[in-house]
Amino acid sequence: DAGITQSPRHKVTETGTPVTLRCHQTENHRYMYWYRQDPGHGLRLIHYSYGVKDTDKGEVSDGYSVSRSKTEDFLLTLESATSSQTSVYFCAIGGPDDQPQHFGDGTRLSIL
Amino acid sequence: GEDVEQSLFLSVREGDSSVINCTYTDSSSTYLYWYKQEPGAGLQLLTYIFSNMDMKQDQRLTVLLNKKDKHLSLRIADTQTGDSAIYFCAEDRPNDYKLSFGAGTTVTVRA
Repeated sequence: DAGITQSPRHKVTETGTPVTLRCHQTENHRYMYWYRQDPGHGLRLIHYSYGVKDTDKGEVSDGYSVSRSKTEDFLLTLESATSSQTSVYFCAIGGPDDQPQHFGDGTRLSIL
Repeated sequence: GEDVEQSLFLSVREGDSSVINCTYTDSSSTYLYWYKQEPGAGLQLLTYIFSNMDMKQDQRLTVLLNKKDKHLSLRIADTQTGDSAIYFCAEDRPNDYKLSFGAGTTVTVRA
């Protein structure tokens, strides 16, 4: 949907290990976002990007970093995963204002 | 308040209308969205409304917006089993790149 591919779709790893999630878009959109989804919280923004090498923090950015070296790719890295980062992670493109955000299919990440 | 609020659960009989309600936070929000999430899937944009509109209709979906009360609703006519999903309301606050989401309403359609 909307030319967004997230990889991997599922991952199980151990506490303390680094993890990188990838979002790839084919829409050439300037804005990209990483959200996490947890029960009772809806979706909360982790980081977003408004262009190559231009990123900023969202409301739950602690423990996460991002990089965007190309328009089409936005990477989310957990430097040292913790169990509290077990979640479903969604990438989105689009916005702001009159361009709705469209979401990828998500990555289910479990930290044991 | 600071949070977008939705009721958590709605049960509806097949063929009836469903109404999902949402209270958003910022009367200056320009766009308000409804997304649908089926089990194990991502969020699908269902519809959205610009803040200068009171109503938007798209086939079985009707969105009503009351700016004075900051209330948004989604009505699904002739609800089908395929409408069983979680529905998220989201607002696009001015000067804020992110969308602010409610916790989602789980709609269960019973035969």
